[in-house]
Amino acid sequence: AQSVTQLDSQVPVFEEAPVELRCNYSSSVSVYLFWYVQYPNQGLQLLLKYLSGSTLVKGINGFEAEFNKSQTSFHLRKPSVHISDTAEYFCAVRGANTGNQFYFGTGTSLTVIP
Amino acid sequence: GAVVSQHPSWVICKSGTSVKIECRSLDFQATTMFWYRQFPKQSLMLMATSNEGSKATYEQGVEKDKFLINHASLTLSTLTVTSAHPEDSSFYICSAADNSYNEQFFGPGTRLTVL
Repeated sequence: AQSVTQLDSQVPVFEEAPVELRCNYSSSVSVYLFWYVQYPNQGLQLLLKYLSGSTLVKGINGFEAEFNKSQTSFHLRKPSVHISDTAEYFCAVRGANTGNQFYFGTGTSLTVIP
Repeated sequence: GAVVSQHPSWVICKSGTSVKIECRSLDFQATTMFWYRQFPKQSLMLMATSNEGSKATYEQGVEKDKFLINHASLTLSTLTVTSAHPEDSSFYICSAADNSYNEQFFGPGTRLTVL
């Protein structure tokens, strides 16, 4: 099975500052990795995903993430955050050849301070 | 990306009644649908996985007689919370996938409040 650890439960950051949300995973097989964003009382929206190929993945809203196999990490970054980025962010992993089940991290609450 | 809808978006019911939540994939055929429960400020907890035309697979600790899941077609899955109690109040989210996708597509969620 796979598991995901999001080390930071809450991340406050000032508007226009850079941010990094950390995600580490464990798995004995090849994985696919995902970042989702959740706004209050809404479902999950896909920010970006890594399936194969380039380890630097660009997503929506200016976010990007880098897959680091040796460190089993998939950290999410944005060079300059906006107030509208305030939300809950979830990292998820699934085995590349083990079916569709996702394993979610506990989430990181990003608060952008004006 | 593919679109998944949920209905209703919120529901309030009396203790002891049953509530049905629908999850529909609008523009693709979902061979597999997932039901999650989310408590405030917490992550998603997988409740069950359902494949079209077969019985759902429930996660450990989830009562299958309490949370009835039906996946009768490739575009519709339903979750029925039977004899709901206040502790069943939560945010329920479904997702859908088919064999050609490497990701799940999530519905907008249903807020259930049991009085």
